[in-house]
Amino acid sequence: DQQVKQNSPSLSVQEGRISILNCDYTNSMFDYFLWYKKYPAEGPTFLISISSIKDKNEDGRFTVFLNKSAKHLSLHIVPSQPGDSAVYFCAATANAGGTSYGKLTFGQGTILTVHP
Amino acid sequence: DGGITQSPKYLFRKEGQNVTLSCEQNLNHDAMYWYRQDPGQGLRLIYYSQIVNDFQKGDIAEGYSVSREKKESFPLTVTSAQKNPTAFYLCASIRVNEAFFGQGTRLTVV
Repeated sequence: DQQVKQNSPSLSVQEGRISILNCDYTNSMFDYFLWYKKYPAEGPTFLISISSIKDKNEDGRFTVFLNKSAKHLSLHIVPSQPGDSAVYFCAATANAGGTSYGKLTFGQGTILTVHP
Repeated sequence: DGGITQSPKYLFRKEGQNVTLSCEQNLNHDAMYWYRQDPGQGLRLIYYSQIVNDFQKGDIAEGYSVSREKKESFPLTVTSAQKNPTAFYLCASIRVNEAFFGQGTRLTVV
């Protein structure tokens, strides 16, 4: 059972335009969400996160939106740059009352290609 | 520099062999995880350990084994019982819900 889903395997965007990557989840216990970026043959690197007490978090060109009622989050990249081309994973965890050992559940990933 | 070190980067295994993938961290994190990445399937959890001498099965533990004798080390053994071991393996340590990943090991069965 896929608890975190990224239904778009790939996304192609022109440089300078907005990239929107989507993620849906089914487990209502998830209360913390993260986005990771991954280049081929490398480990994922952390991008941005959001707690369920917020509906938006912004860091430079990256903004994550959370819609708890729809169990949906999205990552916006504005403006998109060719260096943003990578696989993007969303991940979710249930904080289990504040422990620091949250098990992360990942989506399938979306391949973003930004054309010059 | 602090981080997660996985070795080797590339590993070839003959059918029927057991192989062990190394994962070391100097971040002083208690929790360590092993994930497997296959095309179109994202990262799937194999095993995880929240404390030394304790570990739990993840979603796809069959055919794998782990040990956690030291806080810094969490090796993964891919046994001959794993029917489809060719994949990219990622080790991570986790602190306050953020995962720090190693560079990965590409395992290929020949």
